[in-house]
Amino acid sequence: EDQVTQSPEALRLQEGESSSLNCSYTVSGLRGLFWYRQDPGKGPEFLFTLYSAGEEKEKERLKATLTKKESFLHITAPKPEDSATYLCAVQAASSYKLIFGSGTRLLVRP
Amino acid sequence: DAGVIQSPRHEVTEMGQEVTLRCKPISGHNSLFWYRQTMMRGLELLIYFNNNVPIDDSGMPEDRFSAKMPNASFSTLKIQPSEPRDSAVYFCASSLSGHTDTQYFGPGTRLTVL
Repeated sequence: EDQVTQSPEALRLQEGESSSLNCSYTVSGLRGLFWYRQDPGKGPEFLFTLYSAGEEKEKERLKATLTKKESFLHITAPKPEDSATYLCAVQAASSYKLIFGSGTRLLVRP
Repeated sequence: DAGVIQSPRHEVTEMGQEVTLRCKPISGHNSLFWYRQTMMRGLELLIYFNNNVPIDDSGMPEDRFSAKMPNASFSTLKIQPSEPRDSAVYFCASSLSGHTDTQYFGPGTRLTVL
């Protein structure tokens, strides 16, 4: 059964304190791994898609990496506006379904 | 470019009433998805349309739930009769192609059934 587990559930950082969020997955043939950001009261906002082990993508202070079993979302020198819930999802090969993890709630304090 | 549009943003209703949620996908996208988000179960796919045709409705929890897509720019999710356990945030998402493209989400409808 395809499954996604995110850790930690919640993370508090001081502004400027870099850290990483983890997304572990099991899937029958990975087509893509997706990272979304969700702010309170809003829909998930697309950040990255990773397709194969070793791939990396960056956007501002965020960098996503992928291995055969997990993905990391690295946050470098975060700012309070990076506070949000970060969702990871996998899509199996030849599938349209996104299987979501439960998310990591990130709070960055000034 | 306008993103996915959903209405209403908030809906409060009483148990037993009919509820209709609406979605306008991004223009040019031919795949549409309805999701439900709760604290207990996270984001779950309810139904998937491709070119206005329902492809997979296995996530629809009960016969009380139904969804339609009469044309490429409009979809509805209906709950009749509604129950308190249906309280959740319902998201619509669209993509260029269901199999190969990123899904973009709307702002959601927060449903409260009293």
